[in-house]
Amino acid sequence: AQTVTQSQPEMSVQEAETVTLSCTYDTSESDYYLFWYKQPPSRQMILVIRQEAYKQQNATENRFSVNFQKAAKSFSLKISDSQLGDAAMYFCAYISSNTGKLIFGQGTTLQVKP
Amino acid sequence: GAVVSQHPSWVICKSGTSVKIECRSLDFQATTMFWYRQFPKQSLMLMATSNEGSKATYEQGVEKDKFLINHASLTLSTLTVTSAHPEDSSFYICSARARRGNSYGYTFGSGTRLTVV
Repeated sequence: AQTVTQSQPEMSVQEAETVTLSCTYDTSESDYYLFWYKQPPSRQMILVIRQEAYKQQNATENRFSVNFQKAAKSFSLKISDSQLGDAAMYFCAYISSNTGKLIFGQGTTLQVKP
Repeated sequence: GAVVSQHPSWVICKSGTSVKIECRSLDFQATTMFWYRQFPKQSLMLMATSNEGSKATYEQGVEKDKFLINHASLTLSTLTVTSAHPEDSSFYICSARARRGNSYGYTFGSGTRLTVV
């Protein structure tokens, strides 16, 4: 079975600085997709960025980028120029092409200090 | 973009009663919908997968007789918590996958906070 692990329960960053959230996963599949979701205090899940496993190029969405290391099964999220609105719980997630199920990591709570 | 509407956003019910939560895809057809449960400051735990026109598939440990799921159309899935008890109090979130497939991820409803008293 696939698993997703986020080893950092909490992280903090100074406003305008850069922070990296870690995520590792375990799978025997070769075809899958990886995501980072943001859950602010409203608890609405918001897609931040996605990565197809077959693509070597790291995905980027404005201030958000990932470091995808397929061999190491690592998928970290880098947030540049952190803003107060980035404060939220961040979840790393995996979709199996076989089952279609979205599997979440434990989450990392990000605090942004002014 | 794809929008999923979930209602109610919060509900308080008495122990022993049943509560229905609705999840609607507003601008796309959702062949598959998923129901999650989330405790405070914890991750989302998948409860079940509902496919339009067929029976839901429940994850291990989830009581199918307590959490009834119906996916009668391509735009509506419902979760009914039957004979609710205080331990069923939680945050329930639905998500839907459009026909475009896995690569686009899932769109989530805004969640339902259930409190059983």
